[in-house]
Amino acid sequence: DAGVIQSPRHEVTEMGQEVTLRCKPISGHDYLFWYRQTMMRGLELLIYFNNNVPIDDSGMPEDRFSAKMPNASFSTLKIQPSEPRDSAVYFCASRGLGTSGGAGYNEQFFGPGTRLTVL
Amino acid sequence: DAKTTQPTSMDCAEGRAANLPCNHSTISGNEYVYWYRQIHSQGPQYIIHGLKNNETNEMASLIITEDRKSSTLILPHATLRDTAVYYCIVRRPNAGNNRKLIWGLGTSLAVNP
Repeated sequence: DAGVIQSPRHEVTEMGQEVTLRCKPISGHDYLFWYRQTMMRGLELLIYFNNNVPIDDSGMPEDRFSAKMPNASFSTLKIQPSEPRDSAVYFCASRGLGTSGGAGYNEQFFGPGTRLTVL
Repeated sequence: DAKTTQPTSMDCAEGRAANLPCNHSTISGNEYVYWYRQIHSQGPQYIIHGLKNNETNEMASLIITEDRKSSTLILPHATLRDTAVYYCIVRRPNAGNNRKLIWGLGTSLAVNP
């Protein structure tokens, strides 16, 4: 398995532009997570899906952010309009079902991240 | 949610054991302790987790105190490749299928030659 795939790896855009980040989870995983990481705030959970359904989006900073998961193999995180304070590394992670307490329980597999710079 | 407290940074000599502490004094009885690490420019990587008993795998050992208010991650023979930020996380309890992990700022471990 290729692991979690994210694209693009790097994105530089200007303030006000729309940005779309993409994620392909590991096949068979039924949970998908979007995180944002900055030096100041560390790793923050933005939203997560279970079986393509958004379960908790309380971490989404504001209405400019939206996430979709149209099918089990694809998710997007969109920022519109983008602002300089959105500059960060955005990670996507996925996980599958695991037996309680077992080695895979709650283990999340992370993608390589997308480094977003908004000028 | 139970929060965790970790030292900001630590140093360790290559080949020696690295002991990374974590305080989670408000942990609930059904919450697990998880450890992840993040090597520079990569996504976080799962290391180990535990509930009450000490755990060991091919990467590390996890020692949880009897009152479960703190734990220590042990890398028995640290190598330069273990230089990373280490996150101690307590899983939020939920009767449903909440799989969220609450992340802090972690400990930046530097393994020195």
